[in-house]
Amino acid sequence: DAKTTQPTSMDCAEGRAANLPCNHSTISGNEYVYWYRQIHSQGPQYIIHGLKNNETNEMASLIITEDRKSSTLILPHATLRDTAVYYCIVQEFYGGSQGNLIFGKGTKLSVKP
Amino acid sequence: GAVVSQHPSWVICKSGTSVKIECRSLDFQATTMFWYRQFPKQSLMLMATSNEGSKATYEQGVEKDKFLINHASLTLSTLTVTSAHPEDSSFYICSARIAGAMMETQYFGPGTRLLVL
Repeated sequence: DAKTTQPTSMDCAEGRAANLPCNHSTISGNEYVYWYRQIHSQGPQYIIHGLKNNETNEMASLIITEDRKSSTLILPHATLRDTAVYYCIVQEFYGGSQGNLIFGKGTKLSVKP
Repeated sequence: GAVVSQHPSWVICKSGTSVKIECRSLDFQATTMFWYRQFPKQSLMLMATSNEGSKATYEQGVEKDKFLINHASLTLSTLTVTSAHPEDSSFYICSARIAGAMMETQYFGPGTRLLVL
């Protein structure tokens, strides 16, 4: 079972920031937070990941709370092409062994003009 | 990011035939590959994990004799759906990552849509 909870759907106006929350209250110290997205009829696309610190790349920013029980993915200037299902996944890495990516239901983000 | 390709992108076959789907990592060596299945309006479900040169590890409820996985090289894994039936119609997605001492990102292929008539 997925270890994360996400809202089923969200809307965002084009050009505005999209903030997608994720709850992972049972996360352990060995687990990373990964975000992927799936545009309709395509394979998932990697966005960003983090362990404790906030992370930023060319696609998005990831804000992880200090207790690591929740995180927020931020798309700073959403475009219509960002409409997709966004998956927040916790993945374990311990002793050189990496856990599997288990997908939950994700958040369907609709970016509207 | 790394590129993973799949072939074919879609396939239609008659019930009872076998279908092979190829997954290739184009610009990295994938010591571990994964196969997922996704039914309409549902999330991805992990079917199996394979390490190069080893037998695949199947998730509970996935028939290993029906879904044959071969990971013969560091850049190629194949999934063969044997004696396909209409209920096997689905979106099959492969994924690959490099195994190592560091946490490695997993990259996904574009998917193969299978329709069994």
